[in-house]
Amino acid sequence: GENVEQHPSTLSVQEGDSAVIKCTYSDSASNYFPWYKQELGKRPQLIIDIRSNVGEKKDQRIAVTLNKTAKHFSLHITETQPEDSAVYFCAARPGGYQKVTFGTGTKLQVIP
Amino acid sequence: NAGVTQTPKFQVLKTGQSMTLQCAQDMNHEYMSWYRQDPGMGLRLIHYSVGAGITDQGEVPNGYNVSRSTTEDFPLRLLSAAPSQTSVYFCASSHRGLVEKLFFGSGTQLSVL
Repeated sequence: GENVEQHPSTLSVQEGDSAVIKCTYSDSASNYFPWYKQELGKRPQLIIDIRSNVGEKKDQRIAVTLNKTAKHFSLHITETQPEDSAVYFCAARPGGYQKVTFGTGTKLQVIP
Repeated sequence: NAGVTQTPKFQVLKTGQSMTLQCAQDMNHEYMSWYRQDPGMGLRLIHYSVGAGITDQGEVPNGYNVSRSTTEDFPLRLLSAAPSQTSVYFCASSHRGLVEKLFFGSGTQLSVL
């Protein structure tokens, strides 16, 4: 089955700096790569996703990039703000399969 | 719309007890799933369903049963609780063709003593 590795496990940045979270996956059939944000004590929520036919996608201060050859994808947050502090999960899903495999999460702390 | 509703929010069990975690959604989603979240291990899939009457195992199914008699409901049963099942449980749903776009419930924090 699919295996998703996520790094780093914790990340501290100063407010206004950029943050980058990286993930690798094992199944070359994976075509869908969502990212979820989980604030403390809350439920995970989808913030952005990318499909395999796209190399990069942006939504305001967040962007995701995908390198299918290397089987890795990344989340980039620019101009970080304290409300960006949360745990971020990457995930992958092979096309035609109904299982979403998550990474182990990155705890991002934005220091004011 | 209420979205995905889970009950209870908190539960304490003794080893060997059984219980059912309830999950309901009002978004007419075909796909429903259960995840457990443990520190440092992310979200791991327990069971999932692509429609009424259809269920399948995820990554960590042992010790859990599910059924899907209606589109709206997807209960998770612990037959004989063990301390290793202490975790936070999330139910999630989505449209069948967009399984990666999951809507999560608020979670159930379960402790097994």
